[in-house]
Amino acid sequence: AQTVTQSQPEMSVQEAETVTLSCTYDTSESDYYLFWYKQPPSRQMILVIRQEAYKQQNATENRFSVNFQKAAKSFSLKISDSQLGDAAMYFCAYRTPLMDSNYQLIWGAGTKLIIKP
Amino acid sequence: NAGVTQTPKFRILKIGQSMTLQCTQDMNHNYMYWYRQDPGMGLKLIYYSVGAGITDKGEVPNGYNVSRSTTEDFPLRLELAAPSQTSVYFCASRYRDRGEKLFFGSGTQLSVL
Repeated sequence: AQTVTQSQPEMSVQEAETVTLSCTYDTSESDYYLFWYKQPPSRQMILVIRQEAYKQQNATENRFSVNFQKAAKSFSLKISDSQLGDAAMYFCAYRTPLMDSNYQLIWGAGTKLIIKP
Repeated sequence: NAGVTQTPKFRILKIGQSMTLQCTQDMNHNYMYWYRQDPGMGLKLIYYSVGAGITDKGEVPNGYNVSRSTTEDFPLRLELAAPSQTSVYFCASRYRDRGEKLFFGSGTQLSVL
């Protein structure tokens, strides 16, 4: 069965610095998607970044980038120039095209990111 | 643009009561989903729908029911509420294409006492 593990329950970083959140997953599939979602105190889940497993190039969205290591089954999120608005829970999630309609993402337990002013 | 709208935002129920969580989206999305999030956990899929008139069970459907009479609306019904249903409930929707992101509502925090 697929699993997603986030080993850091909480991380803190000084404003303007860089922080990396870890995520590992277990799967026997070769085609899948990986996601990082952000959940601020407002509760609403927001997609931060998405990676397709067949793409070797790491996804980037402005200050957010991933380090996707397919062989190691690792998918870390790097946040550069951290801002106070980045404070939130961050969830790593996985799914395969086989789950296309029901969208049963497999979720990690989350990492709470604290930004120190 | 409203996106995905959930009501109510908060609710307290007594054991055995029933209620309906409302969800509506204005993006003409085919796919809609109900998730629950327990403290310190990721989301678990309760029910989903791929279009009006079509619904199916997810990972944790027991104690819940859904209907999808229109593309826009996807209400979640709790019958005979139990303390185990205390959770935050999220409705989400997306386009049909593979790999597309989910759009989430802001959630309903439900306590069953």
